[in-house]
Amino acid sequence: KNEVEQSPQNLTAQEGEFITINCSYSVGISALHWLQQHPGGGIVSLFMLSSGKKKHGRLIATINIQEKHSSLHITASHPRDSAVYICAVWGSGGGADGLTFGKGTHLIIQP
Amino acid sequence: DAGVTQSPTHLIKTRGQQVTLRCSPKSGHDTVSWYQQALGQGPQFIFQYYEEEERQRGNFPDRFSGHQFPNYSSELNVNALLLGDSALYLCASSWQDNEQFFGPGTRLTVL
Repeated sequence: KNEVEQSPQNLTAQEGEFITINCSYSVGISALHWLQQHPGGGIVSLFMLSSGKKKHGRLIATINIQEKHSSLHITASHPRDSAVYICAVWGSGGGADGLTFGKGTHLIIQP
Repeated sequence: DAGVTQSPTHLIKTRGQQVTLRCSPKSGHDTVSWYQQALGQGPQFIFQYYEEEERQRGNFPDRFSGHQFPNYSSELNVNALLLGDSALYLCASSWQDNEQFFGPGTRLTVL
């Protein structure tokens, strides 16, 4: 069973700061997902990646398959970025295995 | 496109009762996965349905069962409810093993 670890667990930063959230996993995967969850529960998929780097607006996600590590970066952070960011992985069996989730990083961006 | 929808939004049951939660996938999606998220924890994979069959199952007892209909919508049934079943139940849909899109969740409280 894959173990997914995220760091930090909690992060408070000032508006405009560059944010990095890290994710490591223990067993080979077919894909890694970064998700955003706001209070109340709704989850939004930010990225799904299996290699390299993806960028969407101020968000950048990278993955290093050999090191079993991924990072989510937020540039020019804004209070509306405050949320829980969750890393989740698909095992080598693909989507049929279901996602294994990290415990999430609670991010607060102060104005 | 309404995205992934779930009903009901909230539900209160007592121990021993049975509950049915419903999920309608995003248009064009054929695969539905169910997750349980206890308070303060990351989601846990319950099972996945594809072509009206349970394709994979996480570490949940047989009290948790499901169904997928020809229109790809899905139900999650939980029998003999326990206090520990109180959680947010999330449904996610995808087209086969592609990126999963999450619904808003159903918050179940067992008294």
